[in-house]
Amino acid sequence: GEQVEQRPPHLSVREGDSAFITCTYTDPNSYYFFWYKQEPGASLQLLMKVFSSTEINEGQGFTVLLNKKDKRLSLNLTAAHPGDSAAYFCAVSLSSNTDKVVFGTGTRLQVSP
Amino acid sequence: EAAVTQSPRNKVTVTGGNVTLSCRQTNSHNYMYWYRQDTGHGLRLIHYSYGAGNLQIGDVPDGYKATRTTQEDFFLLLELASPSQTSLYFCASSGPGTRGEQYFGPGTRLTVL
Repeated sequence: GEQVEQRPPHLSVREGDSAFITCTYTDPNSYYFFWYKQEPGASLQLLMKVFSSTEINEGQGFTVLLNKKDKRLSLNLTAAHPGDSAAYFCAVSLSSNTDKVVFGTGTRLQVSP
Repeated sequence: EAAVTQSPRNKVTVTGGNVTLSCRQTNSHNYMYWYRQDTGHGLRLIHYSYGAGNLQIGDVPDGYKATRTTQEDFFLLLELASPSQTSLYFCASSGPGTRGEQYFGPGTRLTVL
């Protein structure tokens, strides 16, 4: 079955720096990709979802890159600020089985002033 | 108003104890999930369900039972709790049109002494 590896497990950056998180997956049939943010003591909130038909998605202060050839999904927080301090999880689902997703192991990001 | 709720939010029990965690969703979703979250493992799927009366086994089902009584309600049962089941438990829902996006409850922190 699908396996998702997420790196790094911990990341510390200074305010204004970029923070880069990567997930690699194994199933070439994966079609839907998600990034979730979990603030300390809180639940998971969807940050962005992308589909295999798109490669770059931009949100407020971050960019999601999908490289289908390398089976890699990346999240780049540009100009990070302390409010970005949280755990980030990628998730991957198959086009044929969108009821089940596989989550990465998470990245705990700390942004210091 | 929160669309996925969980109760209790915190629970302490002893080894061998009987615990029921409850989840209710008002998203009109047909899929519901139970995950456990542990440091270093991310989110791991315990059980999930397609609808009332349906139950699917997840990736880490040992020691857990689940029951879906209605479209809205999904329960996780630990009949002989063990310290290894100390964890943060999340319920989530998804449905047609969400393309795998899951909506999470606030979580239940369970401690088994």
